Amino acid sequence: GAVVSQHPSWVICKSGTSVKIECRSLDFQATTMFWYRQFPKQSLMLMATSNEGSKATYEQGVEKDKFLINHASLTLSTLTVTSAHPEDSSFYICSASPSSQPQHFGDGTRLSIL
Amino acid sequence: GENVEQHPSTLSVQEGDSAVIKCTYSDSASNYFPWYKQELGKRPQLIIDIRSNVGEKKDQRIAVTLNKTAKHFSLHITETQPEDSAVYFCAATQDDKIIFGKGTRLHILP
Repeated sequence: GAVVSQHPSWVICKSGTSVKIECRSLDFQATTMFWYRQFPKQSLMLMATSNEGSKATYEQGVEKDKFLINHASLTLSTLTVTSAHPEDSSFYICSASPSSQPQHFGDGTRLSIL
Repeated sequence: GENVEQHPSTLSVQEGDSAVIKCTYSDSASNYFPWYKQELGKRPQLIIDIRSNVGEKKDQRIAVTLNKTAKHFSLHITETQPEDSAVYFCAATQDDKIIFGKGTRLHILP
């Protein structure tokens, strides 16, 4: 149990494009989901907390207008990277849990902006 | 906010020997400390965790210790095997948010 699905797994697109990434909890409901970003050979950095039915909470230094988060249902959170540029290329990964801890991670999305 | 320091950044051990990775955290309110193993391009996998009301936990070849007073926690892997080669992350949690250490790349030498 406690499966988190993330889609797509790989995206390649042109600079200036907006990209949407989905994070779904398949067998549980999640009022809170988390979004992380991981650059090559670096750690996972928390970007934001996605809250069902309310605004996301962003970590310091993360642009909320650049990374739009929507958590419209108890099983789905989306992260939209708006007007993506090459520096946004990274591994984006979400997590959720039916009971606070432990968190369960999606498979991640590798985003490459040309 | 929470800050997690992890050492070493790279660790090479002979197959069969033990590996130890050490972390410190800054926020005494953190109460849950998971350890993750991540292989290239894949999701982090939880390998063991410890809560703040426990000082030590063991699961087969893996053990974790926690010193709340010093805000230190460590991962111990015994009898290392080639499949233990990966990047390991320690983490501390506040309000469900996981704050990760910078990671340790573990190489198991034949």
